[in-house]
Amino acid sequence: EVQLVESGGGLVKPGGSLRLSCAASGFTFSSYSMNWVRQAPGKGLEWVSSISSSSSYIYYADSVKGRFTISRDNAKNSLYLQMNSLRAEDTAVYYCASESYYDSSGYHHYYMDVWGKGTTVTVSS
Amino acid sequence: DIQMTQSPSSLSASVGDRVTITCRASQSISSYLNWYQQKPGKAPKLLIYAASSLQSGVPSRFSGSGSGTDFTLTISSLQPEDFATYYCQQSYSTPEVTFGPGTKVDIK
Repeated sequence: EVQLVESGGGLVKPGGSLRLSCAASGFTFSSYSMNWVRQAPGKGLEWVSSISSSSSYIYYADSVKGRFTISRDNAKNSLYLQMNSLRAEDTAVYYCASESYYDSSGYHHYYMDVWGKGTTVTVSS
Repeated sequence: DIQMTQSPSSLSASVGDRVTITCRASQSISSYLNWYQQKPGKAPKLLIYAASSLQSGVPSRFSGSGSGTDFTLTISSLQPEDFATYYCQQSYSTPEVTFGPGTKVDIK
């Protein structure tokens, strides 16, 4: 069964740090780009960060740039998100999601087709 | 940045109704548009990719259309399990994708 399982969430004070993990199983993890997407309480979805299959390409949303670091360990089938200098506005459910694409005449249409159940991060004093 | 809007923000419908949700991009994104369904407390689920391609395992009552800046998600006959929030997402600027604000579909 294709599965992503996040862990590492919790309650942290403003300015603190947290490291999220995402364990993959049932597919060839090393072949796929991976993403972190978050959802603040009662709000919509926000893309946070992306990492290519070999870690060659890494991207961040402006809202987390300089504070969050995405990484992966293909030998361990795991994705990580190191979150530093946390703020109240980082409070959210954090999902990891794998990325696939549809090839239409050489144009790649990317989408997130496998999602974990999420882990909750609460930043509060 | 490409901004996504959706309308309506919420709607009430009955089982068996035909439901249409609209998504608009702030600039042309060709057919780089995906649709997701999210139920309370659950992860999003991919329904439609590349504007009109149905994800494997998704019922055929779901369909997507559009190109450029205007897109629609249609549920041909609403079922009890379809009550959820629906999000569009542009993948034109992958990996820096953006989601619409969501449309909540609830029971009339």
